[in-house]
Amino acid sequence: AQSVTQLDSHVSVSEGTPVLLRCNYSSSYSPSLFWYVQHPNKGLQLLLKYTSAATLVKGINGFEAEFKKSETSFHLTKPSAHMSDAAEYFCVVSGMDQAGTALIFGKGTTLSVSS
Amino acid sequence: NAGVTQTPKFQVLKTGQSMTLQCAQDMNHEYMSWYRQDPGMGLRLIHYSVGAGITDQGEVPNGYNVSRSTTEDFPLRLLSAAPSQTSVYFCASSLIGSGNTIYFGEGSWLTVV
Repeated sequence: AQSVTQLDSHVSVSEGTPVLLRCNYSSSYSPSLFWYVQHPNKGLQLLLKYTSAATLVKGINGFEAEFKKSETSFHLTKPSAHMSDAAEYFCVVSGMDQAGTALIFGKGTTLSVSS
Repeated sequence: NAGVTQTPKFQVLKTGQSMTLQCAQDMNHEYMSWYRQDPGMGLRLIHYSVGAGITDQGEVPNGYNVSRSTTEDFPLRLLSAAPSQTSVYFCASSLIGSGNTIYFGEGSWLTVV
């Protein structure tokens, strides 16, 4: 069975400082992993995805994530936070249904950015 | 290029009422699904479909029905609304297979009083 754990429910950073959002996963086979972002009262936007190609994945808005099989982790990072990055972030693993398509969401990490 | 369109965006229901959340996509995706989002729970899968005429249950299907008569549409029906169904609902679509990007609608905010 697959699962995903976001290790922090809330992360606070200052503008211009690095961002680290932590995610561990459990999967019985090689997973596809995603990070989605949700701004207040909005839908979900794909930041990046890992599908067994390069282990370092670059996404939109300067975010990137590294797939580490030995640590079963897929942490999201950004070198320098911007006020517009304040949002909720979801780490996601795919493949729970017969089509191998459905997503299992982590419980989310709220990122706050202060000036 | 509309993507995934959900209606209505906001709805207030009384306990016991029925309603249908509409979802349509214009990307010719075989896979469509419904999720509900509750505080601190992430998104949880309600029902999904891998093509017209084929549906199946997800993690939290009780109290919801779906049908898929066309590739484009995947409505979610609440037959007798309960306060526990107060939530934000998201429809999503994609090509079938792990690793394909899933596209989400903007969400439907449902309150059951």
